[in-house]
Amino acid sequence: QVLLQESGPGLVKPSETLSLTCTVSGDSISTYYWTWIRQPPGKGLEWIGYAYYRGSTNSNPSLKSRVTISVDPSKNQISLKLNSVTAADTAVYYCARALWGVRGVKENDYWGQGILVTVSS
Amino acid sequence: QSALTQPASVSGSPGQSITISCTGTTSDIGDYDYVSWYQQHPGKAPKLMIYEVSERPSGVSSRFSGSKSGSTASLTISGLQAEDEADYYCSSYTSINTYVFGTGTTVTVL
Repeated sequence: QVLLQESGPGLVKPSETLSLTCTVSGDSISTYYWTWIRQPPGKGLEWIGYAYYRGSTNSNPSLKSRVTISVDPSKNQISLKLNSVTAADTAVYYCARALWGVRGVKENDYWGQGILVTVSS
Repeated sequence: QSALTQPASVSGSPGQSITISCTGTTSDIGDYDYVSWYQQHPGKAPKLMIYEVSERPSGVSSRFSGSKSGSTASLTISGLQAEDEADYYCSSYTSINTYVFGTGTTVTVL
């Protein structure tokens, strides 16, 4: 069974960098693409970006300049860094496994439980 | 990129069928059969219910079905049950190699 677990600080100060890790068990991280998604309190889902262990990545145009997603096969972990955060970045952050089809990401089939990150001084 | 458009809420009585629409553009739903639907109960992570427009993952009830016409996808829940009360999100891959979610629909079982 594939399990994903997000971890990291639950509180980040404005203008600082949000750093999260997703640890995957039950699967090889090198086989799939991996996605980060977030959900502000009381609001809908927002796609942040995806990454493949060979370095192929893409991110939401609205966040592109602030986002870095990387995959570490040696630790079976995916990381997310979001810099220059503001209160608008307060959200539950999810990592998910992304299945890649001939033309792109088909769906996200396994999700972590999510981690709430609050941006506040 | 703009979110796909869903109705804010849909309701139905137990046993009835409801349909949730998801409207995109020719750059996402209209160009890809990579439409998925996710169910989210309060405080829980989203769960994949439909993938590639109309396919159901193992373990998902056959009461859930999906379809697509042009740039609009639909999720139908037949034989509505109390446990179906949740938020539902559609999603699609896009022509600029990104991924987009719908605005979300709250399903209420009356």
